[in-house]
Amino acid sequence: DTAVSQTPKYLVTQMGNDKSIKCEQNLGHDTMYWYKQDSKKFLKIMFSYNNKELIINETVPNRFSPKSPDKAHLNLHINSLELGDSAVYFCASSQGATVDTEAFFGQGTRLTVV
Amino acid sequence: QKEVEQNSGPLSVPEGAIASLNCTYSDRGSQSFFWYRQYSGKSPELIMFIYSNGDKEDGRFTAQLNKASQYVSLLIRDSQPSDSATYLCAVNGGSNYKLTFGKGTLLTVNP
Repeated sequence: DTAVSQTPKYLVTQMGNDKSIKCEQNLGHDTMYWYKQDSKKFLKIMFSYNNKELIINETVPNRFSPKSPDKAHLNLHINSLELGDSAVYFCASSQGATVDTEAFFGQGTRLTVV
Repeated sequence: QKEVEQNSGPLSVPEGAIASLNCTYSDRGSQSFFWYRQYSGKSPELIMFIYSNGDKEDGRFTAQLNKASQYVSLLIRDSQPSDSATYLCAVNGGSNYKLTFGKGTLLTVNP
């Protein structure tokens, strides 16, 4: 069983389109995250949710709208896609956020905007 | 801006040698420090974490933390070709809900 699963794995779309990435975790964790990894492999936090509540919004453009319908799911909707949005998006989850909290990552969604 | 700095590499070591990966961070309030390994095209996976000054050993891996110097390192003993990957240093950057990552160090272990 995959602990943190994302769909789709690959996404190719045109500029201006709207797309969604779904994430589900079956670890029973209460905290979920979205990270963006650019072409230089720099992994940067976008959002953190705890028990469906937004905790961190790391100055992400409001074209990006996360939604957490329950603790096990955190989806990412992106409006009006731009070339600069091309990256690998990783969902992650953890149990709480104490000093020894380990984040488990999904397999990533490679988004290519053309 | 709270930052985590790593040498981007590539760091190349022969099989069986010790690989030393270094990381510095700017936020003195950081509490915990993580080393992730990422193979090409794969997701990051946790190797180990440390939050007390000193050394922490797990098999062939040793993490070292010096909070006064704001420095954390990862030593890999008896390096294997399968250790070839990008190693990401991550810091609990003042908020328990946010890990701040360095840009990673690409390690190549040559047979």
